[in-house]
Amino acid sequence: AQTVTQSQPEMSVQEAETVTLSCTYDTSESDYYLFWYKQPPSRQMILVIRQEAYKQQNATENRFSVNFQKAAKSFSLKISDSQLGDAAMYFCAFLWGSNYKLTFGKGTLLTVNP
Amino acid sequence: DSGVTQTPKHLITATGQRVTLRCSPRSGDLSVYWYQQSLDQGLQFLIQYYNGEERAKGNILERFSAQQFPDLHSELNLSSLELGDSALYFCASSGGDRLNTEAFFGQGTRLTVV
Repeated sequence: AQTVTQSQPEMSVQEAETVTLSCTYDTSESDYYLFWYKQPPSRQMILVIRQEAYKQQNATENRFSVNFQKAAKSFSLKISDSQLGDAAMYFCAFLWGSNYKLTFGKGTLLTVNP
Repeated sequence: DSGVTQTPKHLITATGQRVTLRCSPRSGDLSVYWYQQSLDQGLQFLIQYYNGEERAKGNILERFSAQQFPDLHSELNLSSLELGDSALYFCASSGGDRLNTEAFFGQGTRLTVV
């Protein structure tokens, strides 16, 4: 069974600084996808970034980038130039290529200090 | 706005009762997924429907059932409710029968069982 572990229940960062959220996963599959979702106080689950396992290049979306280490089964999210609106719960999620469900980590609560 | 609509936003009911949660997927999306988010279990996949047919089942209790109608909206029925069923229930939709592109989440239904 696939598992996703987020070892940091809470993180904080100063506005305009950079923060990295950690995620590790366990799988025997080779074809899979990894995601970071953001859940602000509004409760809406918002896709931040996705990574295909077969791609060596790390995904980037504006201020958000990932460090995907396939051999180490690590998928960290870096947020640059943090903004107050980045404050939210962040979930790492795994999708096996032939499966239908996202497996989520427990989440990391990010606080952005002004 | 993800385009996925869930109603009601909040629901308070007593133990032993039955409730129905409704989800309208994004226009054109054929797949609907139900997730339960609770403090102790995190985000758990319940069930998926694709174009009216059940496609995958997760950790869904026998007291729970779901269906997808010809107009593609879906309903999640929860019966014989227990205090432990209190949670945020999310619906997500995607175009195909996989989540490898992007799943769009609704804002959830907050169920409180008293």
